[in-house]
Amino acid sequence: GQSLEQPSEVTAVEGAIVQINCTYQTSGFYGLSWYQQHDGGAPTFLSYNGLDGLEETGRFSSFLSRSDSYGYLLLQELQMKDSASYFCAVRGTTDSWGKLQFGAGTQVVVTP
Amino acid sequence: EPEVTQTPSHQVTQMGQEVILRCVPISNHLYFYWYRQILGQKVEFLVSFYNNEISEKSEIFDDQFSVERPDGSNFTLKIRSTKLEDSAMYFCASREPGGQETQYFGPGTRLLVL
Repeated sequence: GQSLEQPSEVTAVEGAIVQINCTYQTSGFYGLSWYQQHDGGAPTFLSYNGLDGLEETGRFSSFLSRSDSYGYLLLQELQMKDSASYFCAVRGTTDSWGKLQFGAGTQVVVTP
Repeated sequence: EPEVTQTPSHQVTQMGQEVILRCVPISNHLYFYWYRQILGQKVEFLVSFYNNEISEKSEIFDDQFSVERPDGSNFTLKIRSTKLEDSAMYFCASREPGGQETQYFGPGTRLLVL
């Protein structure tokens, strides 16, 4: 089976930097994705790491260390609109069809 | 920009009734999924669908659930004999072929079973 752990909540001020860590346990690993979900909304894809290292997409970056079973999402220059839940999601090697297993989500609260 | 659409946005039903949730995936996508999210909890995988058949399903997806792609555009999730614990937000998602990892989620159907 698979399990993912991420913090339940993070609070930061506008303009700050937030790092959301995700550790995972899985019998096989293909890649780690990050999704953003605003209250009442649908998950929206942010980033994907299949290989070790950093992926940068604008203000958001994601990092993966396969040897440590660890990844993080970095949110820079926080804006009020970044207040949302952020989920890490694992695709395992046995998930041939792309099934995602989601973590419990991290609620990011951005304050003025 | 193409998007996944779902209908209805909200559905209220009585326990034991059947419901059909509808989705129109992005037109050139080949992989389709249903997920659900119980209020305040994580998103859970239900089923994946490829080439007109179920490719993978979770333990949640028991005999009361079924999926169908009745034509070239719609993708439906049927829940027979709904239970109280089926109350959740149901998301449809689709993914394009060619190794892209992004799954595009629809806005969801909020199902309430009374």
